[in-house]
Amino acid sequence: EAGVTQFPSHSVIEKGQTVTLRCDPISGHDNLYWYRRVMGKEIKFLLHFVKESKQDESGMPNNRFLAERTGGTYSTLKVQPAELEDSGVYFCASSLDRVSYEQYFGPGTRLTVT
Amino acid sequence: EDKVVQSPLSLVVHEGDTVTLNCSYEVTNFRSLLWYKQEKKAPTFLFMLTSSGIEKKSGRLSSILDKKELFSILNITATQTGDSAVYLCAVQPAGGTSYGKLTFGQGTILTVHP
Repeated sequence: EAGVTQFPSHSVIEKGQTVTLRCDPISGHDNLYWYRRVMGKEIKFLLHFVKESKQDESGMPNNRFLAERTGGTYSTLKVQPAELEDSGVYFCASSLDRVSYEQYFGPGTRLTVT
Repeated sequence: EDKVVQSPLSLVVHEGDTVTLNCSYEVTNFRSLLWYKQEKKAPTFLFMLTSSGIEKKSGRLSSILDKKELFSILNITATQTGDSAVYLCAVQPAGGTSYGKLTFGQGTILTVHP
């Protein structure tokens, strides 16, 4: 069974540019999560999809971040325009359903904003 | 706000040693505590604990939860160099819209020397 995959693995952009991160969850997992780890800090929750609906977006830092999950399969996280403080590692995770809570993580996308 | 504190933040041991990693938490409405191992990229799931006093084991790793004192420990016996990693502790709330929101600690960096 393939795990959670993320693309790209690393992205370097300039302040003010736009970046789109992609996450493909484990097949059949209805729940998809985005997290972020900035340098020296703990991993922080951004948002949670159940299928194509946003269940909880309480961790989204501001309106420069837009997450979508069209069709309930893969998800994208767009940052527009990027700021220096957006640099960090963005993790995606998925879980099967509300009964099976274990979240399985992808390898992350390292975003560097210069 | 939910909070997770791990200790020690880093630990250096030699192969064959036994280590104990600590995780204390504060959460408004607790459902579970999870342990992850992060080597290079994706945090990999180790254990999910929901009940006090029931030890979970997987090979040389074991973990237990104390819901009265609000902490968990992760034990690794007969450590090997392959155990070198960052060990992450996270808590998950129960119910409501935030049931998927994991709150992480900063992690314990374990280094095992041959």
